[in-house]
Amino acid sequence: SAVISQKPSRDICQRGTSLTIQCQVDSQVTMMFWYRQQPGQSLTLIATANQGSEATYESGFVIDKFPISRPNLTFSTLTVSNMSPEDSSIYLCSVNGGQLSTDTQYFGPGTRLTVL
Amino acid sequence: AQTVTQSQPEMSVQEAETVTLSCTYDTSESDYYLFWYKQPPSRQMILVIRQEAYKQQNATENRFSVNFQKAAKSFSLKISDSQLGDAAMYFCAYRSAYNNNNDMRFGAGTRLTVKP
Repeated sequence: SAVISQKPSRDICQRGTSLTIQCQVDSQVTMMFWYRQQPGQSLTLIATANQGSEATYESGFVIDKFPISRPNLTFSTLTVSNMSPEDSSIYLCSVNGGQLSTDTQYFGPGTRLTVL
Repeated sequence: AQTVTQSQPEMSVQEAETVTLSCTYDTSESDYYLFWYKQPPSRQMILVIRQEAYKQQNATENRFSVNFQKAAKSFSLKISDSQLGDAAMYFCAYRSAYNNNNDMRFGAGTRLTVKP
């Protein structure tokens, strides 16, 4: 399995500002994923981040709102831009546990974001 | 598109007893993976158990076992000898074996309470 850390663990932000969330993995992984978990809800995939290429966004999520960086095989960032209270959620980073894309996914501890 | 349904928003079990969490899914694919994840109040998503669709034998991990009924598209989780530490949100998830990307779908979750 992979050990994943996220920073910050939580933050309270003002409307209209941006927050960048960092995800660090203890091993090199091809694909990293960013999920959003709204209060009391299940997980929704925001985007898939492959190193060396543009992130692939799911329907309903756009790069201008959620820009992603993937500078190397162990690190990624997700920025939540121009925040509104509707962006209050837990944001989770996830990676595959092995070389194959169909391997199990492992999750970071999440970043709890509150937008006032 | 694949969908995952967890029809039990909440379940409770007495400590040391057995509880079964239900999950059904809808897919036209023949090869896929199914997972149960646990999310305690600390919010770290933890893999509980996984099942490959091509395997007829039900997966087992210590006190956790599944009842995988491929024809019925059912994937229930049985927790035996429940412990207080089992209290958490449990998410059922589906992942295609054909998609080279992510394509992991989560159910809405079941909140399990363990009574002492």
